[in-house]
Amino acid sequence: DAGITQSPRYKITETGRQVTLMCHQTWSHSYMFWYRQDLGHGLRLIYYSAAADITDKGEVPDGYVVSRSKTENFPLTLESATRSQTSVYFCASSEKGGGANTDTQYFGPGTRLTVL
Amino acid sequence: AQSVAQPEDQVNVAEGNPLTVKCTYSVSGNPYLFWYVQYPNRGLQFLLKYITGDNLVKGSYGFEAEFNKSQTSFHLKKPSALVSDSALYFCAVRDLTGANNLFFGTGTRLTVIP
Repeated sequence: DAGITQSPRYKITETGRQVTLMCHQTWSHSYMFWYRQDLGHGLRLIYYSAAADITDKGEVPDGYVVSRSKTENFPLTLESATRSQTSVYFCASSEKGGGANTDTQYFGPGTRLTVL
Repeated sequence: AQSVAQPEDQVNVAEGNPLTVKCTYSVSGNPYLFWYVQYPNRGLQFLLKYITGDNLVKGSYGFEAEFNKSQTSFHLKKPSALVSDSALYFCAVRDLTGANNLFFGTGTRLTVIP
């Protein structure tokens, strides 16, 4: 039961480079989310997806791009990384449909990204 | 807009004593409230949630939370703290505008002293 995985777990890159963070879930959850965690801010939503090919912006989307061609994958791309994007990134997923676990989000282990 | 506030950055409690981690919320409409815990270098783990019904919600690892509508609070509690409860705790409220995302508080670091 793999659940939700993220790769890489750690990444160091340079300003201006493109970086893609991967997220994969095995539950066939409809919803997937990307958050960033920064000291003093808690977690802030970057993008989310309600289903394959449906994505929408969250609170802090600037500088990020997402896609969701398959239900199980939700990659996050930093098109031109900046130092302000140094953070810990969490992917999450949740069910849809009114069952007991609806609304509960399940989180991956995170990716620690450092932009030099 | 929905939001939650965690007024304490840090809570220290002695092992065996009861613990409380505070959370207040601001929503228009009925709130969907959550507590998550984060251990070092780990993702967030779901503890419990309030959707409707009984104001006292029981969750994982012996934690419970009390929903208080008049005080707009959802404090996390445990009768007897363990050293292993030391972690970062987040309160969250679900977005009621259509997306399924959560708005998180800034977190409270709980330290249980042996």
